[in-house]
Amino acid sequence: KQEVTQIPAALSVPEGENLVLNCSFTDSAIYNLQWFRQDPGKGLTSLLLIQSSQREQTSGRLNASLDKSSGRSTLYIAASQPGDSATYLCNTDKLIFGTGTRLQVFP
Amino acid sequence: GAGVSQSPRYKVAKRGQDVALRCDPISGHVSLFWYQQALGQGPEFLTYFQNEAQLDKSGLPSDRFFAERPEGSVSTLKIQRTQKEDSAVYLCASSSPLAGGPGELFFGEGSRLTVL
Repeated sequence: KQEVTQIPAALSVPEGENLVLNCSFTDSAIYNLQWFRQDPGKGLTSLLLIQSSQREQTSGRLNASLDKSSGRSTLYIAASQPGDSATYLCNTDKLIFGTGTRLQVFP
Repeated sequence: GAGVSQSPRYKVAKRGQDVALRCDPISGHVSLFWYQQALGQGPEFLTYFQNEAQLDKSGLPSDRFFAERPEGSVSTLKIQRTQKEDSAVYLCASSSPLAGGPGELFFGEGSRLTVL
């Protein structure tokens, strides 16, 4: 059974820092991996989808990489802003979510 | 529609009552998923439909939980004889297959159920 782990569980940083959020999974036979953000009391917003044939995806200040062989994905957030404060979740093939990284960026 | 729509947004039920939660997926999306999210936790998979076929219901926690999607569009998650431990946010998501894979997942805002 797929298990997904996210590290760190929580992160609090001053704005402007470059951040690295990690997602590891036990079963590398996946079609894709997707990163989401969730604001309090809201649903999940899709950030990036990496298909199994891809190594990375970029959107604005966000970059996500995927290494299937090692069972890892990394989300990079450049020049963090207070508006980036949210919980970040990774998901494999729609079924299994990590427990998330709670990010707080303070001014 | 423009996005995944869920109703009601908030539901308070007395223990033992039955509840029904509705999900309108993005038009044309063949796949529909239900998740349960407890406070401070990540979403937990409940069940998955492809069109009207329920392909996986392994995450449903008990036989009090039932989901349907009779015409391959709108889906309803029904919880019978609600218990306090059913209190959670119920999230619905839809997707359309992409290049052999399940495609990008889009979520609704969720239905927050509180059982008293």
